[in-house]
Amino acid sequence: EAGVTQFPSHSVIEKGQTVTLRCDPISGHDNLYWYRRVMGKEIKFLLHFVKESKQDESGMPNNRFLAERTGGTYSTLKVQPAELEDSGVYFCASSQARPPNGELFFGEGSRLTVL
Amino acid sequence: GENVEQHPSTLSVQEGDSAVIKCTYSDSASNYFPWYKQELGKRPQLIIDIRSNVGEKKDQRIAVTLNKTAKHFSLHITETQPEDSAVYFCAASPFPSSNTGKLIFGQGTTLQVKP
Repeated sequence: EAGVTQFPSHSVIEKGQTVTLRCDPISGHDNLYWYRRVMGKEIKFLLHFVKESKQDESGMPNNRFLAERTGGTYSTLKVQPAELEDSGVYFCASSQARPPNGELFFGEGSRLTVL
Repeated sequence: GENVEQHPSTLSVQEGDSAVIKCTYSDSASNYFPWYKQELGKRPQLIIDIRSNVGEKKDQRIAVTLNKTAKHFSLHITETQPEDSAVYFCAASPFPSSNTGKLIFGQGTTLQVKP
């Protein structure tokens, strides 16, 4: 069974540009989460989807970030325009049931570098 | 707000020695505490978890203890091996966010096991 896949694995862009990160969860997982780890700090929650609906977007930093999950399958996270402080590793995770009732499976992350 | 403090940030041990990583959480209503291991270049993976109604849980060489009164939980690895080298993250599931499965992570501990 394929795990959570993320694309791209690494993206280098200039300040002011736009980047779109994609996440394909494990098939059948209704719950999809985005997290971010800024250099050396904690992994921080961004938002949670159940199917195509946003359940909790309390961790989204500001309106430069837009997450979508049309059709309830894959998800995208767009940053527009990117700022230097957006650099970090963006993790996607999925689960069949919400923790603790289900295990959270992570992708390998998309590393974003904003110059 | 909700937060999890994790110590130490780096830990170096000799192969065969024990390693202990400690975490403190702020939300006394937190009820689920997973630990994730992230090997270099790979995805974070769940290695063990504990719920608030249990004080200790073991799985072969790893164990987790929970002190609800002090709001502390710890990861213990015995007879460490070079393949235990990784970044370890603790996490807590705060209430009422626990109904979304949102996790609050610590800053991570880089464990190095020297052969």
